[in-house]
Amino acid sequence: GAGVSQSPSNKVTEKGKDVELRCDPISGHTALYWYRQSLGQGLEFLIYFQGNSAPDKSGLPSDRFSAERTGGSVSTLTIQRTQQEDSAVYLCASSVLETGELFFGEGSRLTVL
Amino acid sequence: QQQVKQSPQSLIVQKGGISIINCAYENTAFDYFPWYQQFPGKGPALLIAIRPDVSEKKEGRFTISFNKSAKQFSLHIMDSQPGDSATYFCAASEGGSYIPTFGRGTSLIVHP
Repeated sequence: GAGVSQSPSNKVTEKGKDVELRCDPISGHTALYWYRQSLGQGLEFLIYFQGNSAPDKSGLPSDRFSAERTGGSVSTLTIQRTQQEDSAVYLCASSVLETGELFFGEGSRLTVL
Repeated sequence: QQQVKQSPQSLIVQKGGISIINCAYENTAFDYFPWYQQFPGKGPALLIAIRPDVSEKKEGRFTISFNKSAKQFSLHIMDSQPGDSATYFCAASEGGSYIPTFGRGTSLIVHP
């Protein structure tokens, strides 16, 4: 497709389980971002990938969160031992750095019971 | 530390009115200020953006006003329409970082 694709769109899991969220960026976009959106908290930066450079992980809230980007394209955000406070919409975005514009996917809504 | 403060949290206007959303920032190294629009169930999408070399940018009914000395910028929606009802996020980033910092968002409702 032409846009950023995220899956699953909805995920319900039990506390303590691990989850994986997938992002397929726009072809040719070298930069990829993960943000978390919680009600009333805006968009919280999690991690940033740019080309082959080391990712900027400064926004990851704990060591239960990790992400990887394979082949400079698809990215997976993994949350281990999920907690109820992890419930949120996880948004992925990609960009061509020169424009500064981020293109967001529709997000993965995570609910931890 | 919230680097970009956005207000109000919610806003209700009548059709045809002017919607105004304000943002303030602290980091003087910020040099790119976009506004994103988000409809329910969708990801945010770029609406309009400004760089600090100009004080105003207009695109249709949407205008960004930028005050560098006050470290503030605002979004004005003229002739607001029910279809403008959405959540609006301001953001800021600095050259070389490419990681935007977002405000907490404003939920706009335009009544017909």
